[in-house]
Amino acid sequence: DTEVTQTPKHLVMGMTNKKSLKCEQHMGHRAMYWYKQKAKKPPELMFVYSYEKLSINESVPSRFSPECPNSSLLNLHLHALQPEDSALYLCASSQASEQYFGPGTRLTVT
Amino acid sequence: AQSVAQPEDQVNVAEGNPLTVKCTYSVSGNPYLFWYVQYPNRGLQFLLKYITGDNLVKGSYGFEAEFNKSQTSFHLKKPSALVSDSALYFCAVRDIDSNYQLIWGAGTKLIIKP
Repeated sequence: DTEVTQTPKHLVMGMTNKKSLKCEQHMGHRAMYWYKQKAKKPPELMFVYSYEKLSINESVPSRFSPECPNSSLLNLHLHALQPEDSALYLCASSQASEQYFGPGTRLTVT
Repeated sequence: AQSVAQPEDQVNVAEGNPLTVKCTYSVSGNPYLFWYVQYPNRGLQFLLKYITGDNLVKGSYGFEAEFNKSQTSFHLKKPSALVSDSALYFCAVRDIDSNYQLIWGAGTKLIIKP
């Protein structure tokens, strides 16, 4: 099973709200990722966790805060977002070379 | 600099005909190459990869890709296209300086007409 799940599927939030995106995988993968994707564009890497430790932060604004509570879970905490942050947020995991993606959370910031 | 190019924004193919989606890359050393597909309003699905070995790689849904080192290409192919193959296709190469980062092509929209 190569399934990565994400909740919620859709999220609408105001610029003053605080919300969280959740991601889960039960494949025993050692690395988990957050990506941001704009329509018809390739995904942009935001964060990478390896063995539950933050390995890569691609200079993401502090209004995005990742968290890895355990090896199966990955959260992305959102606060004071801007309208330009509206996008599809994808979670992925990997053990070897290929990454497996979740279905994404469609985020709209109003 | 490392890069991936997908020279066609869109490819149109009639159902039942063979399809090719082109990808060329520029990396030093031996590349790790990938193809992903994205259906509308969905996440990316892994199709296939090349790391080493046979230059012809077979993947999901009847897709295959041919690694050509001399031409630095990794074109995606399918002998007989289905309407359901219509989607956005991304080629990617792993950054040689990272075990985690992928360098992505811009994507090619594949349209299969009945």
